[in-house]
Amino acid sequence: EAQVTQNPRYLITVTGKKLTVTCSQNMNHEYMSWYRQDPGLGLRQIYYSMNVEVTDKGDVPEGYKVSRKEKRNFPLILESPSPNQTSLYFCASRRTGDDEKLFFGSGTQLSVL
Amino acid sequence: LAKTTQPISMDSYEGQEVNITCSHNNIATNDYITWYQQFPSQGPRFIIQGYKTKVTNEVASLFIPADRKSSTLSLPRVSLSDTAVYYCLVGDYDYKLSFGAGTTVTVRA
Repeated sequence: EAQVTQNPRYLITVTGKKLTVTCSQNMNHEYMSWYRQDPGLGLRQIYYSMNVEVTDKGDVPEGYKVSRKEKRNFPLILESPSPNQTSLYFCASRRTGDDEKLFFGSGTQLSVL
Repeated sequence: LAKTTQPISMDSYEGQEVNITCSHNNIATNDYITWYQQFPSQGPRFIIQGYKTKVTNEVASLFIPADRKSSTLSLPRVSLSDTAVYYCLVGDYDYKLSFGAGTTVTVRA
C-alpha cells in the first residue's frame, strides 16, 4: 500500500531534550516536506527536499533540522525543543511535476513541556 | 507561489450543495489549482485538481473561469462526514507550499 509513515504518533518531551520524528514513504517520491499545524494558522511548511541531499527552508524553519540521506526517509530533528514547538506535525511527499499531488502522513502530536 | 484567499468558515445542512470559492489573483500561466480536505487529527488528502474550465470526479467538482483568478470547489449533497477543513492550493510546485488556514465546513443534520 502506498503510504507516508510517521513515527511516533504522539510524543511528550521536556525542553531541551533532542528528538527526532521519522518520516518514510514507499512511493519513490523525489519531493518530501514537513509541516506544522497550529490552531487558526493552517499548515505551515518547515522544510522541504527536492531529492537526496537537497533540502531547503520553508516558512518556519527556525529550531528545526532535516536530512535527506535516502530517498525514502526525511527525518525532522529538534535539537533543543522549546514549548513553542508544541504542535501537530505532518510529513508529505509527492513526485516532481506540475500536476502532482501531495500524500500526507498521519501526523505526530508533539508536546514540549 | 500565488497567494490564495478563501472564507474562514461555512455552515451547511445535510443534502445541500456547498460551494467554496478561492481567489488567486496572481495565478501564473502554468499553475494548477488543487484542493485538499482535512479531517481533525488527520493529514490532508487530495480531493480534486484542475487547470481550466470544469473538472469533476466522484467526490467534487471544480469550476475555473476563463481568467483563472478564482476557482470554486463544489461538494454536492453533503453529509455529516463532509465536515472538514478544505484548502485551496495554487502553484506550479516550485515547492514552497503553505496551505493557509483553509475553510472550515460544518455540516449539520
